[in-house]
Amino acid sequence: GEQVEQLPSILRVQEGSSASINCSYEDSASNYFPWYKQEPGENPKLIIDIRSNMERKQIQELIVLLDKKAKRFSLHITDTQPGDSAMYFCAARNSGGSNYKLTFGKGTLLTVTP
Amino acid sequence: ETAVFQTPNYHVTQVGNEVSFNCKQTLGHDTMYWYKQDSKKLLKIMFSYNNKQLIVNETVPRRFSPQSSDKAHLNLRIKSVEPEDSAVYLCASSFQGAKQYFGPGTRLTVL
Repeated sequence: GEQVEQLPSILRVQEGSSASINCSYEDSASNYFPWYKQEPGENPKLIIDIRSNMERKQIQELIVLLDKKAKRFSLHITDTQPGDSAMYFCAARNSGGSNYKLTFGKGTLLTVTP
Repeated sequence: ETAVFQTPNYHVTQVGNEVSFNCKQTLGHDTMYWYKQDSKKLLKIMFSYNNKQLIVNETVPRRFSPQSSDKAHLNLRIKSVEPEDSAVYLCASSFQGAKQYFGPGTRLTVL
């Protein structure tokens, strides 16, 4: 089955700087890549996603890049704020047949310091 | 806006007991999931139902069993809980696997 590696596991940045999280996947048939943010005591919330027919997507300060050849995708948070501090998860979906399973990375704990 | 509902929020029980968790979604999605999130925050899928049919059944102990009455409901039963079952159980729903929305979770503590 699909495997998703996510790095780094811990990331600490200063307010106003950028934060980058990288993920790689194994199954070239994966075609959908969401990112989730989970704050302490809360459930994971979808913040941005990208499909395999795109290379870049931006929503406000969030930028996702996808390199299908290298089987890598990344999340970049520009101008980080303390409110961006949370656990972030990447995921990949292989929609072969009726398998609608998301495989998650192990998460990145982002801390934005003032 | 909450559209995936889970009950209970918390459950504390003793080893060997049976527990059931409920999940309902009001998004009109065709697929529902159960995930287990452990103390290290690892998210592992357990089961997935599409239109009331089991489509994903990861390697989980046989004491775990999903129950789906219709597309909007997916319950989880754990027969004879073990200490390692202590975790947060997250229900999610989606349309064909995209944009999964999670419920608030059920935190299970097994004493």
